[in-house]
Amino acid sequence: QVQLQESGPGLVKPSQTLSLTCTVSGGSISSGSYYWSWIRQPAGKGLEWIGLISTSGSTNYNPSLKSRVTISVDTSKNQFSLKLDSVTAADTAVYFCARWLLGTDHFDYWGQGTLVTVSS
Amino acid sequence: SYELTQPPSVSVSPGQTASITCSGDKLGDKYACWYQQKPGQSPVVVIYRDSERPPGIPERFSGSNSGNTATLTISGTQAMDEADYYCQAWDSTTVVFGGGTKLTVL
Repeated sequence: QVQLQESGPGLVKPSQTLSLTCTVSGGSISSGSYYWSWIRQPAGKGLEWIGLISTSGSTNYNPSLKSRVTISVDTSKNQFSLKLDSVTAADTAVYFCARWLLGTDHFDYWGQGTLVTVSS
Repeated sequence: SYELTQPPSVSVSPGQTASITCSGDKLGDKYACWYQQKPGQSPVVVIYRDSERPPGIPERFSGSNSGNTATLTISGTQAMDEADYYCQAWDSTTVVFGGGTKLTVL
């Protein structure tokens, strides 16, 4: 059973960089059948896709966040990561990592989510 | 940018059929999927590739997608189905979510 677990600081100061890591267990992140993605959800609001990465490192980002987002993958650690620059209070949200199943266009496994608060 | 539109809320009586719609330009040309999210939990896919049901998802969940509208149908709705539901599609190079629909079973 594949499991994804987000980790990282729960509090980030305004203008700084938010950094999160997703550790994948129960399967190899290097499988060519999947991409790996970040999604966020502000309290009481809907889901917002941030971006995704293939195991070869090619990325796609939400155009509204593209200038501030970097997603990377470390296959040796079975992890992928998110960096979001110049954060503001509007970036406060629960951040989920998820696995994208190629050919079916959906996320089949999700992490439990981690709350990141942007505040001084 | 591509958009998916859902009604903010849908109400249904227990045992009745609930239908939640998701509208987008030529959505029928793409795969649509649906996630169920209960408070404090991660989303769970209930329908993918328009009408496929993952293992463990009850048969009362079904989906369709044609023209500009995808529809999630829950037959014989149960109290445990009360949740937020999100549609999602892939458009060119981006993942798009609908705004979500709160299903109330009363």
